Amino acid sequence: KAGVTQTPRYLIKTRGQQVTLSCSPISGHRSVSWYQQTPGQGLQFLFEYFSETQRNKGNFPGRFSGRQFSNSRSEMNVSTLELGDSALYLCASSPRRGNEQFFGPGTRLTVL
Amino acid sequence: ILNVEQSPQSLHVQEGDSTNFTCSFPSSNFYALHWYRWETAKSPEALFVMTLNGDEKKKGRISATLNTKEGYSYLYIKGSQPEDSATYLCALTPSGNTPLVFGKGTRLSVIA
Repeated sequence: KAGVTQTPRYLIKTRGQQVTLSCSPISGHRSVSWYQQTPGQGLQFLFEYFSETQRNKGNFPGRFSGRQFSNSRSEMNVSTLELGDSALYLCASSPRRGNEQFFGPGTRLTVL
Repeated sequence: ILNVEQSPQSLHVQEGDSTNFTCSFPSSNFYALHWYRWETAKSPEALFVMTLNGDEKKKGRISATLNTKEGYSYLYIKGSQPEDSATYLCALTPSGNTPLVFGKGTRLSVIA
């Protein structure tokens, strides 16, 4: 089975721009979660999607949004980028909510 | 806000040494405890998911124990090898449909 894939792997943007990151879960996995990793911080939960519905949202501003499509693929969007948004963004999928999660390789976002 | 604490933050051991680290969590909020290994430039990889008080899990030279009443889990590595060098993350699932809450990890370096 193919693993979780994320595109792009690296991205450089400037302040004020917006960005869309994509995640394709393992085939058959319906739950997709997004995390942000910044230096010195643990993985911070952004949101979880299951069956095209956002089920949980972390403590992030409204500039961070996401969605899930009928094939379980998910996108997250960050509008009006700030320098502090520079981070590694990880996506994880699981067959059911609350189960072991399988992580993708991440997207490294740099905001200049 | 749930807090998952991991100690130590980092650890350097010699090849062949055995080592252990701790994950602490609020005992009043517990559904499952996950351990992940995150090697540099790779995706976090699940090691164990533990749900029952007194659980012990083992995978090769790595094992973990769980005490839900006092709110801690230990991860043990026997006879550390350079390939064990990684960040070890623990994550708490407070209930079945809530997102994982990650600790900041323990960074292990095994010196040959």
